[in-house]
Amino acid sequence: EAGVAQSPRYKIIEKRQSVAFWCNPISGHATLYWYQQILGQGPKLLIQFQNNGVVDDSQLPKDRFSAERLKGVDSTLKIQPAKLEDSAVYLCASSLRGYSNQPQHFGDGTRLSIL
Amino acid sequence: GENVEQHPSTLSVQEGDSAVIKCTYSDSASNYFPWYKQELGKGPQLIIDIRSNVGEKKDQRIAVTLNKTAKHFSLHITETQPEDSAVYFCAASKGGNAGNMLTFGGGTRLMVKP
Repeated sequence: EAGVAQSPRYKIIEKRQSVAFWCNPISGHATLYWYQQILGQGPKLLIQFQNNGVVDDSQLPKDRFSAERLKGVDSTLKIQPAKLEDSAVYLCASSLRGYSNQPQHFGDGTRLSIL
Repeated sequence: GENVEQHPSTLSVQEGDSAVIKCTYSDSASNYFPWYKQELGKGPQLIIDIRSNVGEKKDQRIAVTLNKTAKHFSLHITETQPEDSAVYFCAASKGGNAGNMLTFGGGTRLMVKP
């Protein structure tokens, strides 16, 4: 079974520029999550999708972050404009369903550096 | 919201010794507690999980215990090996219709000396 795929692996941009990350979940997984992991900390949930609908985006900074999962499979996370404090690893995870505590499986993330 | 505290932040053991990592959570409604292992440059890998209707779970050299009354859970690794060296994260979730949001602890860097 193929795991969660993310691209790019690394991205370096200057502050105020925009950036986008892509995620392809495990086949058949209805629920997709985006997490932000700042160096030395645990991951923090940004947004959760159930198929193509948003379940929880309470911790997403909506003035600069946006995410979509139009066909209920792949997802993109965008930051516009980027700030220095956005430097982090952005992790995508997926699970079979978003309730009954199905295990979440993570990709290897995109490491974002803001200059 | 949920708050998860994890201790210690770093742990150094000799190969073959046991390692114990402890977490406490604040929300008594949390009912799912996974543990993840994260190696450098990789995403977190699920190694074991436990649900609130179970007090202990074991998988080979890894075991997790849960005390719902005290709101704490622990990871036990026996006969540690150098390849166990990594950062370990505990997490908690309430599940249900509110979604499956994981709240993570701050992580424990485990170093196993050969």
